[in-house]
Amino acid sequence: EVQLVQSGAEVKKPGESLNISCKASGFSFTSHWIAWVRQMPGKGLEWMGSTYPGDTIYSPSFQGQVTLSADKSLSTTYLQWRSLKASDTAMYYCARLDKTTGNYLIDYWGQGCLVTVSS
Amino acid sequence: EIVLTQSPVTLSVSPGDRATLSCRASQSVGGNLAWYRQKPGQAPTLLIYGASIRATGIPARFSGSGSGTEFTLTISSLQSEDFAVYYCQYYNSWPLTFTFGPGTKVDNK
Repeated sequence: EVQLVQSGAEVKKPGESLNISCKASGFSFTSHWIAWVRQMPGKGLEWMGSTYPGDTIYSPSFQGQVTLSADKSLSTTYLQWRSLKASDTAMYYCARLDKTTGNYLIDYWGQGCLVTVSS
Repeated sequence: EIVLTQSPVTLSVSPGDRATLSCRASQSVGGNLAWYRQKPGQAPTLLIYGASIRATGIPARFSGSGSGTEFTLTISSLQSEDFAVYYCQYYNSWPLTFTFGPGTKVDNK
């Protein structure tokens, strides 16, 4: 069974750093890119970027704002902030990309990680 | 940059009704269009990809159609679990790009 299990909710202050994770199981981690998607409170879905062991692609909207990485030894991907802002308050989802259709398609999602940034 | 618009913003229907949701792309996306359902408090779930192919385990009451710039998601007989927000999404092979529409909320009339 494909599973993406994300780390727990976080409450942080502006300026703090944060690293959240997404552990994959039930499929070959090195055969799939993992995407990260932001959902701000009451809003829609925004693709932030996608990562694969040794490679990462960012949405222009998030380039330089966050860092994505992957550790194939742990089958885990990470989303990192160096200095959080209140506007980073959102639910963050990781999701698997599958290419069996010929194009990269988001097919499975993690349960989400709620990040709250407040002074 | 491709922009997706969805209509209506909110669709009020009753259980058992037929629901028709639209998604329009600012330029042709071919058949690279997916639909997701997001129930309250849950992660999205893939319903349709390739504009008209049901994902694994998705009931036959969901159907997708369209190509190019105009797409439709139809729910033939709405069930209680279908009251949710529906997003269309453009996906591209390379460069890796994903664009979501703003969503349509289907609520109980």
